[in-house]
Amino acid sequence: AQKITQTQPGMFVQEKEAVTLDCTYDTSDQSYGLFWYKQPSSGEMIFLIYQGSYDEQNATEGRYSLNFQKARKSANLVISASQLGDSAMYFCAMRGYSTLTFGKGTMLLVSP
Amino acid sequence: DTEVTQTPKHLVMGMTNKKSLKCEQHMGHRAMYWYKQKAKKPPELMFVYSYEKLSINESVPSRFSPECPNSSLLNLHLHALQPEDSALYLCASSQDPTDSDYEQYFGPGTRLTVT
Repeated sequence: AQKITQTQPGMFVQEKEAVTLDCTYDTSDQSYGLFWYKQPSSGEMIFLIYQGSYDEQNATEGRYSLNFQKARKSANLVISASQLGDSAMYFCAMRGYSTLTFGKGTMLLVSP
Repeated sequence: DTEVTQTPKHLVMGMTNKKSLKCEQHMGHRAMYWYKQKAKKPPELMFVYSYEKLSINESVPSRFSPECPNSSLLNLHLHALQPEDSALYLCASSQDPTDSDYEQYFGPGTRLTVT
């Protein structure tokens, strides 16, 4: 069974600062994918970034980077230079054979 | 085009009504998914279609009936729903049903209210 843990129910950050959203995972699969999604109040789940379990380099996509520490089973999302539009719910998720397992999410609020 | 579309955006239905939710993707993806999401909770998987065949049913009540008419379309037929079924229903698709490297693309969702 797969499990994703996000321990921060809410995070606050000021505009233009960096923020780290925590995610730890547990799985017995040798091959897996880790994903971060953003869900604004409108409801749509927006794919942000992906890290494969065999990737040695941390993934980056624009202002998003994934701090992947396999031995510690963590896959933290780093958002640099936060913007007001980054205020949303953020979900960490793991993909195994067929399904996607989500964490409980972290609500990020960016203040001016 | 990395778009998954869903109709309608909002739906209000009575407990005796029959309605359908529709989902469409034109990315050539071979897997499609239905999720249910309650407020402030993560999405919960309901159904998975792999190559147009139902591969996973997460013990969903029979008042929800999925259908995959072709590789681009996914429907969710609703009948005799309960107020607790009110939620955001998300459709998603991915390129390969079993490869963990492929992300799922989500549609904007249908906000369902059962009265």
